[in-house]
Amino acid sequence: DQQVKQNSPSLSVQEGRISILNCDYTNSMFDYFLWYKKYPAEGPTFLISISSIKDKNEDGRFTVFLNKSAKHLSLHIVPSQPGDSAVYFCAGLTGSYQLTFGKGTKLSVIP
Amino acid sequence: NAGVTQTPKFQVLKTGQSMTLQCAQDMNHNSMYWYRQDPGMGLRLIYYSASEGTTDKGEVPNGYNVSRLNKREFSLRLESAAPSQTSVYFCASSERGAPGNTIYFGEGSWLTVV
Repeated sequence: DQQVKQNSPSLSVQEGRISILNCDYTNSMFDYFLWYKKYPAEGPTFLISISSIKDKNEDGRFTVFLNKSAKHLSLHIVPSQPGDSAVYFCAGLTGSYQLTFGKGTKLSVIP
Repeated sequence: NAGVTQTPKFQVLKTGQSMTLQCAQDMNHNSMYWYRQDPGMGLRLIYYSASEGTTDKGEVPNGYNVSRLNKREFSLRLESAAPSQTSVYFCASSERGAPGNTIYFGEGSWLTVV
C-alpha cells in the first residue's frame, strides 16, 4: 500500500521552462511533506518542505504547492536548468523521524 | 567536511553470511537513520536512532539489527543475509527530528546478496 505516490516515472522539460512534479498521498497523518533531489551514485539532498497546514512554500526557483483536500502536492521549478536533471522524491513525515518516500520522478532538462 | 560517511561502498555477500555497515557523521547530530532503496522504489526506513542510546524500528526492520555506538556512529548489521536484502543502503543524520532539521544522507552502500 503506497502512502506516497509519484505516478510519473519521468519528465522531460526544455531549459528555461517550468518543471512540474506531482505527488499524491493517502495518509492523512502526514505533518509535513518534503522534496528531495538525487543524483546517480549520491545520497538524496533536501530541497524544500511544506507544513500540512500551509498551501504554498517558496524557496528561490522552487515552489511547493499543497492541496490538502485533494491529497496532492506539486513541486514547481522555474526556470528549469540542466543541473536540475535528477530524480526527485516526494516524502511525507509522520512524527518527528519517519519519512515515507514516493518512488521518484526522473527529471531531464534539455538544453 | 565529510558529512555522513558510510563503509563499505560496495559489498557482495553469500546467502547466510553476516556483515555490518558502518556509518559516521561529523556534524554533531543527535538523530541517525538507516534507509534502503530498491530498484524503482523510494527509500524505506529500516531503523532510526532519535538520540544516543535509543533505537527504534522503521518501516522494514526485519532481518536487521542496529547499534548506536556513540553520538557519531550508527551501524547496521545483517546477521544472516538473504537475496531479498540486495539493495542500496543509505545512512542519514539530522540535528534532531522534525522537518525543520534537514536530514543529510550519505552516498550509499551497494549490497548484493547471492
